[in-house]
Amino acid sequence: AQTVTQSQPEMSVQEAETVTLSCTYDTSENNYYLFWYKQPPSRQMILVIRQEAYKQQNATENRFSVNFQKAAKSFSLKISDSQLGDTAMYFCAFMGNAGNMLTFGGGTRLMVKP
Amino acid sequence: KAGVTQTPRYLIKTRGQQVTLSCSPISGHRSVSWYQQTPGQGLQFLFEYFSETQRNKGNFPGRFSGRQFSNSRSEMNVSTLELGDSALYLCASSWLAESLGELFFGEGSRLTVL
Repeated sequence: AQTVTQSQPEMSVQEAETVTLSCTYDTSENNYYLFWYKQPPSRQMILVIRQEAYKQQNATENRFSVNFQKAAKSFSLKISDSQLGDTAMYFCAFMGNAGNMLTFGGGTRLMVKP
Repeated sequence: KAGVTQTPRYLIKTRGQQVTLSCSPISGHRSVSWYQQTPGQGLQFLFEYFSETQRNKGNFPGRFSGRQFSNSRSEMNVSTLELGDSALYLCASSWLAESLGELFFGEGSRLTVL
């Protein structure tokens, strides 16, 4: 079984600054996918960024990028130029080869301050 | 294009009762998965259905069950409710058997058990 750990329950950042959210995971699988999901207050969870384990290149989506360290089983999310709308719970998640089944970390509550 | 619709959005039950939650996926999506979200346990996978077949099941007691209909709509049922079943139940859909994490979530059904 796989586990996902997010060691930062809460974080805050000033608007326009950069913040990094940490995530570590454990798995015995070789092919898998890692994700960051965002859950704004009282709104739907949405996919922020995805990383395929077989790809060495770190994924980037606009202001969001990841630092994927496969050997260390680390998968951090960097948010650049933070905006007020980035305030949300962020979940790191793992998907193996058993269908559409996600294993989530405990989440990091991010607050962007004006 | 309508998103994932979950009904009811809020409900209150008493211990020992049963509850049925409904999820209508995005049109054309054939995979529906369910997650339980609580402050203590975080997000936990319940089960996933694809084309009316349960593909995966999480580590929950038999009181939790689900099904998927031919139009891909899904229901989950919890019998003999316990206080610990109070949670936000999230449904997610995808049109692929292997979505690579591109799951579309509903707003959830918030169940309170008194």
